[in-house]
Amino acid sequence: EPEVTQTPSHQVTQMGQEVILRCVPISNHLYFYWYRQILGQKVEFLVSFYNNEISEKSEIFDDQFSVERPDGSNFTLKIRSTKLEDSAMYFCASRPPGSWYEQYFGPGTRLTVT
Amino acid sequence: ILNVEQSPQSLHVQEGDSTNFTCSFPSSNFYALHWYRWETAKSPEALFVMTLNGDEKKKGRISATLNTKEGYSYLYIKGSQPEDSATYLCAQWHEGSNYQLIWGAGTKLIIKP
Repeated sequence: EPEVTQTPSHQVTQMGQEVILRCVPISNHLYFYWYRQILGQKVEFLVSFYNNEISEKSEIFDDQFSVERPDGSNFTLKIRSTKLEDSAMYFCASRPPGSWYEQYFGPGTRLTVT
Repeated sequence: ILNVEQSPQSLHVQEGDSTNFTCSFPSSNFYALHWYRWETAKSPEALFVMTLNGDEKKKGRISATLNTKEGYSYLYIKGSQPEDSATYLCAQWHEGSNYQLIWGAGTKLIIKP
């Protein structure tokens, strides 16, 4: 069964460094999302992406964040200059065409900023 | 401000017992409610999506109900097994929220053998 994959599973980085989190959505899906969960808090929406552009972004998704679908299979989240408060589990999700309801999630990348 | 709440935050249940927990959400402009099951280091797994008031869904020993007028959903697990141990998340699609899910904080369920 097709699934969303994410790499790496755990990323440790120093404050101020750039990180790129990678996701491979399910191949025929057209809508892509990034969510994050800070330890002990709710899952929060970051950004949605469709047709090679951002559909919507939350207040969290400031100029330090960017997303890209560089090659038709990967979907990446870049944080330019990480802060301690960016430490969280980052989930990628994708949605199939014709479905408003379904989102399929990857296993997440745990980002630790030291 | 949209707010989805789940209770309890955590729950210890004896193997074989049945249990249930609650998701409450804003009832205005309701569109759909999701339940996900999330085990650590795995992808959140979609359990149910419900859209209509009075919806009831069942998957094996797990079932869910939806009341959109009063803004709540219950998840029931019958005859809990150790493999049911996970965090159960509910999330609401809200009309007007435009392609995003609003999440509850989850109920962490621990089944004691």
